[in-house]
Amino acid sequence: DAKTTQPPSMDCAEGRAANLPCNHSTISGNEYVYWYRQIHSQGPQYIIHGLKNNETNEMASLIITEDRKSSTLILPHATLRDTAVYYCIVRLPIISNFGNEKLTFGTGTRLTIIP
Amino acid sequence: NAGVTQTPKFQVLKTGQSMTLQCAQDMNHNSMYWYRQDPGMGLRLIYYSASEGTTDKGEVPNGYNVSRLNKREFSLRLESAAPSQTSVYFCASSARPEGVEPQHFGDGTRLSIL
Repeated sequence: DAKTTQPPSMDCAEGRAANLPCNHSTISGNEYVYWYRQIHSQGPQYIIHGLKNNETNEMASLIITEDRKSSTLILPHATLRDTAVYYCIVRLPIISNFGNEKLTFGTGTRLTIIP
Repeated sequence: NAGVTQTPKFQVLKTGQSMTLQCAQDMNHNSMYWYRQDPGMGLRLIYYSASEGTTDKGEVPNGYNVSRLNKREFSLRLESAAPSQTSVYFCASSARPEGVEPQHFGDGTRLSIL
């Protein structure tokens, strides 16, 4: 799986859009980009994933550059409850029932929402 | 919606004691996973079960055993606990092991080995 690089920390004002970058310059053509977050003392929470097209769901938007070497997670109207560590992960789709689905979490970006 | 439920939430053991961590999911998922998370590190996969009746080793399986009791439940056992196993343990599930299905996590078991 490709390695990702994220800034260690970011701040964002409450109510503003939070834009979290991720660099994955060694991503291969069929690797997907996933975003998870971990709020203090809770388990990781799935946010969104995509391959090459931009994706949006009720939680966030994912913008992937045309060359797929980087992506941005956008939380459109950040609230205090969005304070968490955000993880960007790239991985291959598993093509058999016998693959080792290793979800590799790096150190992520600690996002702090400022009141 | 309960999702993935782990018990207990906290546990303190003495070196050499045994313990089983329980995990259950109510999403009818086929695949289940056990991870550990140590301070300053990401999650590391201990064991996984692609489907009911199968289990396989992950990245750090030594010192652990697992049982996929049925489709809902996946337990992790420490036969002889060691201080190095002090960690936060997360259980996760996904609809299928293949494809691009995301994993959904429980809130963890915080385990301290004295």
